[in-house]
Amino acid sequence: NSKVIQTPRYLVKGQGQKAKMRCIPEKGHPVVFWYQQNKNNEFKFLINFQNQEVLQQIDMTEKRFSAECPSNSPCSLEIQSSEAGDSALYLCASSLRGGSNERLFFGHGTKLSVL
Amino acid sequence: AQKVTQTQTSISVVEKTTVTMDCVYETRDSSYFLFWYKQTASGEIVFLIRQDSYKKENATVGHYSLNFQKPKSSIGLIITATQIEDSAVYFCAMREGNYNQGKLIFGQGTKLSIKP
Repeated sequence: NSKVIQTPRYLVKGQGQKAKMRCIPEKGHPVVFWYQQNKNNEFKFLINFQNQEVLQQIDMTEKRFSAECPSNSPCSLEIQSSEAGDSALYLCASSLRGGSNERLFFGHGTKLSVL
Repeated sequence: AQKVTQTQTSISVVEKTTVTMDCVYETRDSSYFLFWYKQTASGEIVFLIRQDSYKKENATVGHYSLNFQKPKSSIGLIITATQIEDSAVYFCAMREGNYNQGKLIFGQGTKLSIKP
């Protein structure tokens, strides 16, 4: 059973609406990733954090996506103005720091449908 | 730019046989890490096995093993004695070694169906 908790499991929004999803990483995991998986199973990396700091992120030129991992609160990913093309499964994963234990533990995802 | 390619869209085999799934990758880095993950029908994604590029020995975990051919930039996943529960989509992924905790790049996935 996944110890990375994502809420909500399903999210339905109209175009132009905000969509916000949350993730609680596995306890003791300082690194958090967000991926978007489309209907063709393709993974698209969005952003990752170590503790509260952004490590890498894609060029969110449209500025519609924002994410944070505040201390002592769930991480979140928010789409400011949803578009039909944003419909996908949003996956949160957490990890220990590098070394032989490095691997991703995924949550069940938030399935976003933009109508 | 790094790239991971899985050319087999789907594979179907009979239970208890051995199956191999292919994966090739592109990277300019001399150090990198390769992973295989499995996504079940329920959507759960589980780590299976990893290969560090500097290791010559093929990794083995349970009934999963890897066929790492570095000159060919290839990392095949071998599942022996397949079971019905192995039916899933399998993803190959790579992280370049020059950025600790960097992003993984995933392949397109191979859907494995195990028949009784």
